[in-house]
Amino acid sequence: SQTIHQWPATLVQPVGSPLSLECTVEGTSNPNLYWYRQAAGRGLQLLFYSVGIGQISSEVPQNLSASRPQDRQFILSSKKLLLSDSGFYLCAWSVRTVSLNTEAFFGQGTRLTVV
Amino acid sequence: GIQVEQSPPDLILQEGANSTLRCNFSDSVNNLQWFHQNPWGQLINLFYIPSGTKQNGRLSATTVATERYSLLYISSSQTTDSGVYFCAAPSGGSYIPTFGRGTSLIVHP
Repeated sequence: SQTIHQWPATLVQPVGSPLSLECTVEGTSNPNLYWYRQAAGRGLQLLFYSVGIGQISSEVPQNLSASRPQDRQFILSSKKLLLSDSGFYLCAWSVRTVSLNTEAFFGQGTRLTVV
Repeated sequence: GIQVEQSPPDLILQEGANSTLRCNFSDSVNNLQWFHQNPWGQLINLFYIPSGTKQNGRLSATTVATERYSLLYISSSQTTDSGVYFCAAPSGGSYIPTFGRGTSLIVHP
């Protein structure tokens, strides 16, 4: 069966420090991968998505970047964190299919606090 | 892009009560999902329901794609049902889920 791993679970980082959050998927090949952020107020905002190695699409211009160095690995990074980067970050995957009928599954999330 | 609106934003119930959560979407969709976010933040898949009705224990969901809405029914609510319920749907021609703002449910014993 497929599983998704995301770490760390919690992170406290000072302003101006770098960031690297990692997400890996097991049990499937060639998945669509996503990074979402949930700030206060509950809504989930799509940050990045990827349909393949090295292919990254950004939805919102910001202080963050994403990379997909391997088929089932998705990394969220920042060179210098801002206070506004605090939030709950969720990685997700879905099967790539031409029909677009695909169910998304989420990791356990990383709670980032920038101080 | 697609707009996904959920109602009510907040709901408080006594244990044993029934409830209906609604999700309206502004465009045609290829799929629709309902999630439960537990107190630890994890998103649990409840239903994948592009159309029709599905049931899983005390929960059921109905999506009427032609009228652009979906309903989540919770019967005989329990305290463990507390949390935030999200629906998510992609814009037409996309596979990327767009989320509503959720319904926060509190079930009191």
